[in-house]
Amino acid sequence: DSGVTQTPKHLITATGQRVTLRCSPRSGDLSVYWYQQSLDQGLQFLIQYYNGEERAKGNILERFSAQQFPDLHSELNLSSLELGDSALYFCASSVLGQDSGNTIYFGEGSWLTVV
Amino acid sequence: AQSVAQPEDQVNVAEGNPLTVKCTYSVSGNPYLFWYVQYPNRGLQFLLKYITGDNLVKGSYGFEAEFNKSQTSFHLKKPSALVSDSALYFCAVRGLNQGGKLIFGQGTELSVKP
Repeated sequence: DSGVTQTPKHLITATGQRVTLRCSPRSGDLSVYWYQQSLDQGLQFLIQYYNGEERAKGNILERFSAQQFPDLHSELNLSSLELGDSALYFCASSVLGQDSGNTIYFGEGSWLTVV
Repeated sequence: AQSVAQPEDQVNVAEGNPLTVKCTYSVSGNPYLFWYVQYPNRGLQFLLKYITGDNLVKGSYGFEAEFNKSQTSFHLKKPSALVSDSALYFCAVRGLNQGGKLIFGQGTELSVKP
């Protein structure tokens, strides 16, 4: 158990809908990362937050947004869902949000299926 | 730009034999390198990392990795493979000046047969 908690574990929704994925980082970790894993794209970095502030942005679609709350949990919002958004979404956390040797720990992921 | 390459999509090994999963990297400055493993329908589990110091890094489940600066490689190794080692393995590098995110290779499927 990495200590990173993600909910829900599985989600099936229809095209055009909106979903919210939730992440609780490891105790003491200030930085949260979101990744998308799909068969054709591999592991893609979406966005990172550090202590409530956006730190880095990757290949995140405009239909997607995220935030980190004062209690450090994070939410990834996916809207106007398309079939191609079906993927495994990982949340990860680390103590620091900068180049360093500290380890990034991943949650079990949220499986999103868009039908 | 930082990047990681895993040249083999799949590695097949017999149980009890040594295994190697290859990784090469491209990074500016000193690299921070990581290996993660993903078992079926599970999340990514941290195996080991290289930060500095000894080129041979030991990690979880008997795995180790050898950092080679001249060849820009960070190959994952295990002296004796187990069937339970069958999984998807990812090499990753810490991005420089990019907030600390990990940049992943495409993954290598390791299959260990009895």
